[in-house]
Amino acid sequence: GNSVTQMEGPVTLSEEAFLTINCTYTATGYPSLFWYVQYPGEGLQLLLKATKADDKGSNKGFEATYRKETTSFHLEKGSVQVSDSAVYFCALRGLGGYNKLIFGAGTRLAVHP
Amino acid sequence: EAGVAQSPRYKIIEKRQSVAFWCNPISGHATLYWYQQILGQGPKLLIQFQNNGVVDDSQLPKDRFSAERLKGVDSTLKIQPAKLEDSAVYLCASSFGQALAKNIQYFGAGTRLSVL
Repeated sequence: GNSVTQMEGPVTLSEEAFLTINCTYTATGYPSLFWYVQYPGEGLQLLLKATKADDKGSNKGFEATYRKETTSFHLEKGSVQVSDSAVYFCALRGLGGYNKLIFGAGTRLAVHP
Repeated sequence: EAGVAQSPRYKIIEKRQSVAFWCNPISGHATLYWYQQILGQGPKLLIQFQNNGVVDDSQLPKDRFSAERLKGVDSTLKIQPAKLEDSAVYLCASSFGQALAKNIQYFGAGTRLSVL
């Protein structure tokens, strides 16, 4: 069945450091891929998405490229800020079905000044 | 635009008691989802409604969990009786529809349940 694997956290960085959070998936066909972010005390918010191979999703300085050949959707940001501290979830939506999202376990990011 | 509203934010109960959570989706959203998020894990879909009909409840423990969306707007998720392993955050989400172009899910802040 469909599944998502994320790198374990926590990831601890200094402000302005480069961020990579790895995400790989298992699915048949070409699923849609998402990154959601969860700030403390809040619900999940969509950060970016990609719906087909080689698409690049981007938002708020974050980017992720849909790599079919490596079944990956790694999240990157060139210079993190303290305000980026949150839990990041990679998710996929398989073909067919009813818009069901399959989430990874989440990666906690802590950015220090 | 108001987001997805959930209540209560926190609930503490003893095992074998019952509990109910309420969700009001974004106005006009036909699809409503309930997810269970256990500490350290990603959210897992429990049940999905399209208007007032269930389209996916394959991962809902039906011996103790029930959910309804009688008028196709707000929804209630109930657990009766609760077990220790039900301790989790219960997230409600909604989307305009299910088609790819309209399927972005918007999440509420969740209800944190602790079963003692």
